[in-house]
Amino acid sequence: TAGITQAPTSQILAAGRSMTLRCTQDMRHNAMYWYRQDLGLGLRLIHYSNTAGTTGKGEVPDGYSVSRANTDDFPLTLASAVPSQTSVYFCASSVELAPTGELFFGEGSRLTVL
Amino acid sequence: GQNIDQPTEMTATEGAIVQINCTYQTSGFNGLFWYQQHAGEAPTFLSYNVLDGLEEKGRFSSFLSRSKGYSYLLLKELQMKDSASYLCAVINSNYQLIWGAGTKLIIKP
Repeated sequence: TAGITQAPTSQILAAGRSMTLRCTQDMRHNAMYWYRQDLGLGLRLIHYSNTAGTTGKGEVPDGYSVSRANTDDFPLTLASAVPSQTSVYFCASSVELAPTGELFFGEGSRLTVL
Repeated sequence: GQNIDQPTEMTATEGAIVQINCTYQTSGFNGLFWYQQHAGEAPTFLSYNVLDGLEEKGRFSSFLSRSKGYSYLLLKELQMKDSASYLCAVINSNYQLIWGAGTKLIIKP
């Protein structure tokens, strides 16, 4: 069972370059999320989507954009990377947006911006 | 502001019992999660509490007191594989999920 697949697993990126982190789920969940996880901090929500065709801003959306063309895919794009975007990025999904049920996470994408 | 407080790190012995506390101050409350995260891996769901009291699931139990803004995760019969970070997260009145920074649990033989 695949669940949520993220790619790439890790990436080193020069500052100023663009990058898209891919996320695909096969559970037909309506809601999808992008989080970043930094040492000493809780998971912080970047963007979310409650259904195909709609997206919303989370706690730390600046410098990131997302799209939700279909139910399965939710890519995260950094248009012009900066060193402060060095982090581990997790994609997650849940049946509905109000997460009273379990969130399922991908394995994470470790991004280093130099 | 909204805040979730957990100890940064705890150490326990294999076979013993450990309690990981979580206190929260959020704008409203619609439930509390505990997740386990092994180093370099994704968080995985452990428990969800929305009513006061103790929920038991095998070796793991989770307790909630809404009036005190307090929860704990109790791990019994500790095994080496329980070495991980444990994340507490609260759903506020806007159905936003607020995450604590996590408690790193180290199990010693």
